[in-house]
Amino acid sequence: QLVESGGGLTQPGRSLRLSCVASGFTFGNYAMHWVRQVPGQGLEWVTGITWNSGLTDYAASVKGRFTIARDNAQNSLYLQMNSLRSEDTAVYFCVKDILASLRQGWGFDLWGRGTLVTVS
Amino acid sequence: DIQLTQSPSFLSASVGDRVTITCRASQDINNYLAWYQQRPGKAPKVLIYVASTLQSEVPSRFRGSGAATEFTLTISGLQPEDFAVYYCQQLKSLPITFGQGTRLEMK
Repeated sequence: QLVESGGGLTQPGRSLRLSCVASGFTFGNYAMHWVRQVPGQGLEWVTGITWNSGLTDYAASVKGRFTIARDNAQNSLYLQMNSLRSEDTAVYFCVKDILASLRQGWGFDLWGRGTLVTVS
Repeated sequence: DIQLTQSPSFLSASVGDRVTITCRASQDINNYLAWYQQRPGKAPKVLIYVASTLQSEVPSRFRGSGAATEFTLTISGLQPEDFAVYYCQQLKSLPITFGQGTRLEMK
């Protein structure tokens, strides 16, 4: 399973760090992602990282403000969110990839319950 | 970025019906397409990956097909638990993108 933490209410311009702890699978073998969803709206891929942190990528809406990282020894995924804006308000899901790479992927087969980030 | 357009955006059907949702990509994505189901208050769940492979433990009434720029998700014999929102997703190239969603409601 995947369990997110670190969400909450913050003000525009501030920072938050989300964490995700994985269990039940070999975390270091898979790419990981953060996907967000404004309540009542659709899904937006935010960022992803390969199994060995060799490649990361970001949605244009967060590039330069958010940073994804992982610690395979701790089975943990992180999202550092800086310069937060009101439009970053959403539920953030920690997500496991079916594969180890980011490109030409197959899909996401395990999702956390999500953590709500409110920027206001 | 690759855009995905789902149709219809809303679909009304009855238990036992067969429904089809279409996902069109703005460019050729080979078969790097997945389908997800999201029930209210829950995280999405993968149904189909690489266009037509059924995820483990997903009922066989779900079927994915298509390639290149046009894909379909067909649900045969709708069950009460199938009324949800469905999303397609392309993983051919970065950034990964999702369709806008199709809300399947009970008639």
